[in-house]
Amino acid sequence: GQNIDQPTEMTATEGAIVQINCTYQTSGFNGLFWYQQHAGEAPTFLSYNVLDGLEEKGRFSSFLSRSKGYSYLLLKELQMKDSASYLCAVRDSNAGNMLTFGGGTRLMVKP
Amino acid sequence: DTGVSQDPRHKITKRGQNVTFRCDPISEHNRLYWYRQTLGQGPEFLTYFQNEAQLEKSRLLSDRFSAERPKGSFSTLEIQRTEQGDSAMYLCASSSLGQSSYEQYFGPGTRLTVT
Repeated sequence: GQNIDQPTEMTATEGAIVQINCTYQTSGFNGLFWYQQHAGEAPTFLSYNVLDGLEEKGRFSSFLSRSKGYSYLLLKELQMKDSASYLCAVRDSNAGNMLTFGGGTRLMVKP
Repeated sequence: DTGVSQDPRHKITKRGQNVTFRCDPISEHNRLYWYRQTLGQGPEFLTYFQNEAQLEKSRLLSDRFSAERPKGSFSTLEIQRTEQGDSAMYLCASSSLGQSSYEQYFGPGTRLTVT
């Protein structure tokens, strides 16, 4: 089976930097994904890591360490619109490459 | 709009009734996924299709749930004899084989309320 853990809630200030951590256990790791989900809306893709290291995309960066079963999503220059849930998901090659999601981290950005 | 679409967006039904949801994936995507999401939780995998073949089905999926993708394009998810515990958001996603197959595109979801 798979186990994915991420904090339930985080609060940060507009303009600041926030790091959302995710740890996972899986038998056939085949990639880690971060999705953003605003309340009542569908998840939207943010980033994908399959090799160790940092992937940067604008204000968002995602890091992966496969040996540690660890990833983080880094959000810079926070804006109010970044208030949303951030979902960590792992793809398992032993399970049809389906995605298993963590419970999500609800980020609240305050002025 | 060429994204994933789902119909209906909202459904209220009485316990014991059957409901059917539809998902239209992005046209060139041959993989289609169904997820269920309850408030405050991440999406939970239900089943997925590659073209018309149902390749994976969650062990958590009861026999009251059935999904089809008869022509490899749109898909339907039927829940028979609904229970209050079935109340959730049902999300559909699609992706394509090939280099960009890692990204799943989600539809807006169907919110089911069982009273």
